[in-house]
Amino acid sequence: DIQMTQSPSSLSASVGDRVTITCQASQDISNYLNWYQHKPRKAPKLLIYDASNLETGVPSRFSGSRSGTDFTFTISSLQPEDIATYFCQQYGNLPYTFGQGTKLEIK
Amino acid sequence: EVQLVESGGGLVKPGGSLRLSCAASGFTFTTAWMSWVRQAPGKGLEWVGRIKSKTDDGTADYAAPVKGRFTISRADSENTLYLQMNSLRTEDTAVYYCTTEAHCSSTSCYPPFDYWGQGTLVNVSS
Repeated sequence: DIQMTQSPSSLSASVGDRVTITCQASQDISNYLNWYQHKPRKAPKLLIYDASNLETGVPSRFSGSRSGTDFTFTISSLQPEDIATYFCQQYGNLPYTFGQGTKLEIK
Repeated sequence: EVQLVESGGGLVKPGGSLRLSCAASGFTFTTAWMSWVRQAPGKGLEWVGRIKSKTDDGTADYAAPVKGRFTISRADSENTLYLQMNSLRTEDTAVYYCTTEAHCSSTSCYPPFDYWGQGTLVNVSS
């Protein structure tokens, strides 16, 4: 199985800060990576697909990039409504696997 | 508007069975590949399994922890996805989500896993 190593596991930042989360795949997954926002008692929300494509309707402050097996998710200017847990997911190989999540809090 | 509505969760004893349903609307369900994903309390997301569309052979794939105990099926005439869970264990306790792994309209295909239901809670406890 492909391991997705996500870091950090938690993050505290101020409104307006630039926030970066990373996921490293244990083997090549090409661009087959999604980033999700997950709030308690809500459905996970797709933000970024194919590593760097912004899902329709998602604010442009969210972005994603890839360098080999390293993937980066960025919020350019943190907003209060961005409080959530963020997950990466690879869908290049079965079984699909997720990172352990990053819980984002406002300072 | 796309909607995925899960139901069928509840409290069940270890060794018991439960069948979850996911009612789909707002997209072409018959050609969609659908997945189940779960989240145990305090844990991350875990892919459970998926089923291809009947036009793509309709077969299902499963994660190792549930293979042989869980069965995914679909009723395209009712736009409904199912997850039959047998021989349940305490470690199967989780919120179960259905999600669109892949779906297309007549003119375009959409990003993978773009829609998710709100989830249904399965609690396996004696």
